[in-house]
Amino acid sequence: SQQGEEDPQALSIQEGENATMNCSYKTSINNLQWYRQNSGRGLVHLILIRSNEREKHSGRLRVTLDTSKKSSSLLITASRAADTASYFCATDAAGTYKYIFGTGTRLKVLA
Amino acid sequence: EAQVTQNPRYLITVTGKKLTVTCSQNMNHEYMSWYRQDPGLGLRQIYYSMNVEVTDKGDVPEGYKVSRKEKRNFPLILESPSPNQTSLYFCASSPGTSGRTASYNEQFFGPGTRLTVL
Repeated sequence: SQQGEEDPQALSIQEGENATMNCSYKTSINNLQWYRQNSGRGLVHLILIRSNEREKHSGRLRVTLDTSKKSSSLLITASRAADTASYFCATDAAGTYKYIFGTGTRLKVLA
Repeated sequence: EAQVTQNPRYLITVTGKKLTVTCSQNMNHEYMSWYRQDPGLGLRQIYYSMNVEVTDKGDVPEGYKVSRKEKRNFPLILESPSPNQTSLYFCASSPGTSGRTASYNEQFFGPGTRLTVL
């Protein structure tokens, strides 16, 4: 069963704008990660946020986590055409060794 | 270069013909995993392995087998492939869990294997 659901499914913005995508999950978690996938290629890890953290930054990426709402958001600031990709959240159900990925958000950044 | 390799990258086969997709990592990672990716469904975990000789089912294990006889290799076996196993498959690895759950470590993904079962 899918734990993570991403919203929106697709997003199209102009270069230089900010892109925000959201992830919701169903059970308690230990950590939440975000990955990027370029057009059918392997996923690349972007950032990890622990369940006791509320916000984390990495370069142009900002991730927030609200465990009370079971949701996370990924903000990409000053987007570039190279940011065009699909973005997935991933986590585990607390106490398991399984990974559960969301359905992904397809981001298109127009030059 | 640290990497996860998969072979073959593309495979077209027929129903019922046994096949194996190999996965190898050179990072001495303990945790390895197989996923399938289908449009609109994201990635779904098939099997994972915590270490040599330790494997367990993910969310969609039916129709698949795995083995972990060596730390670096984690092959995915389809004993009798069916058309509903047509998909894009990814192998991934991550450092040891050290008793923690999977999500404490980032995963490194292979390039993917596109499988078509006719």
